Order: sequence, then structure tokens, then C-alpha cells
Amino acid sequence: DAKTTQPPSMDCAEGRAANLPCNHSTISGNEYVYWYRQIHSQGPQYIIHGLKNNETNEMASLIITEDRKSSTLILPHATLRDTAVYYCIVDRDDKIIFGKGTRLHILP
Amino acid sequence: DVKVTQSSRYLVKRTGEKVFLECVQDMDHENMFWYRQDPGLGLRLIYFSYDVKMKEKGDIPEGYSVSREKKERFSLILESASTNQTSMYLCASSLHISGQGSYEQYFGPGTRLTVT
Repeated sequence: DAKTTQPPSMDCAEGRAANLPCNHSTISGNEYVYWYRQIHSQGPQYIIHGLKNNETNEMASLIITEDRKSSTLILPHATLRDTAVYYCIVDRDDKIIFGKGTRLHILP
Repeated sequence: DVKVTQSSRYLVKRTGEKVFLECVQDMDHENMFWYRQDPGLGLRLIYFSYDVKMKEKGDIPEGYSVSREKKERFSLILESASTNQTSMYLCASSLHISGQGSYEQYFGPGTRLTVT
């Protein structure tokens, strides 16, 4: 079973920030939070990961709460190309388990 | 750029046939994975491998086997294909860094297999 809970779908206006939430209340101390996305007809694509601190890269920012029980992926200026299913995953070992993710619709 | 390639994008096979799905990565990654993806079920891990000649069962290994004779190549084998194995098959690879989770996985484009 996936260890994360995500809303099944979200909408965001083009050009606005997309904030995708994820609950992982059973996360243990050495488990990382990973985010991937899957654009239609493609394989999943790695976005970002973190352990305790907030992280930022060229694609997104990851905000992890202090108790580590939830996190938010932020796409700062969403474009139509960001329409995809976004997966939040917690992982310690090399085996990761994908849940059903959040289907993000970017609205023109 | 990391590149993971899969032998076919689309494949049609008959029930009972032996099917080989090939995956090759060019980044010298230790870890390789096979998933299948079905509507409403998401991605499910079939098998993975930490190193050459090593393999571990994932969540749904029944009906499948794997082979890793070389570091860059990981093959998924359907010994006797059945219609319930019609699916999208995705291969992935990653570095192995102890204590840091799976590290980022790089996925291939997928093989859509239809068993008739």
C-alpha cells in the first residue's frame, strides 16, 4: 500500500502557482519524500526529493512540515505543459511504491 | 542526459507465447526496475535488481521472471503470456546510494503490450 494520501485531482490557472499537497503521517525518520510526475503517454519523470529541509530546483519547490507528516510541491508558474499526474512517494529503501497521484489540470 | 530505452513501444502477442521485454540504460546505474501500469491501479513494481545477476521480487511478480546478465540491461520475461498481462510496462534505473532512499529513478518510454 502507498504510504501517502493525495487529492485525486486539482485545477490551476496558467501562470499561477500550483500547490500540490501530500499527507504522509506514518513517515519514519529516515524516509525521504519524492515527487514524480507523469505526462500522458510518457514514463514518470523525477521532480524533486527531500528529507527534512525545504528543497528547490529548476522545476519546483518542496515544502516539508516540521513534523514531516505532510509536504507540498509548488510549481511556481504553471504552464499547460505541467498538466500531468503528480505522485508523492515516501521511500527508504530502493523500492518505491507509487500511489494513484494527483491529476493536475492547468487551465488556460 | 540519462537514457533508458525499451525495445518496443507497442507489442502484440498471443496467449501462451513467451515474451521478452528488453530495457537498456546508459548511465552505469546499479538499480533497475520493471513496473506495469494499469488504469485505476497506478504503477506496480514487478521485479527489481540491485546488481548484475541479482533480482528481487516486487509486489506482483507472479507470471514474470527477469534476467540481468549485464549491468546496463534488464529483461522482463513473460513465460506464458496471458490476457491479464495486457498492460503498459515501464522500465526504470537509478543509482544506489546507501541510506538515501531510491534516489531519482529514470524511466523509459514504456512498452504497451497487448496479449490476444
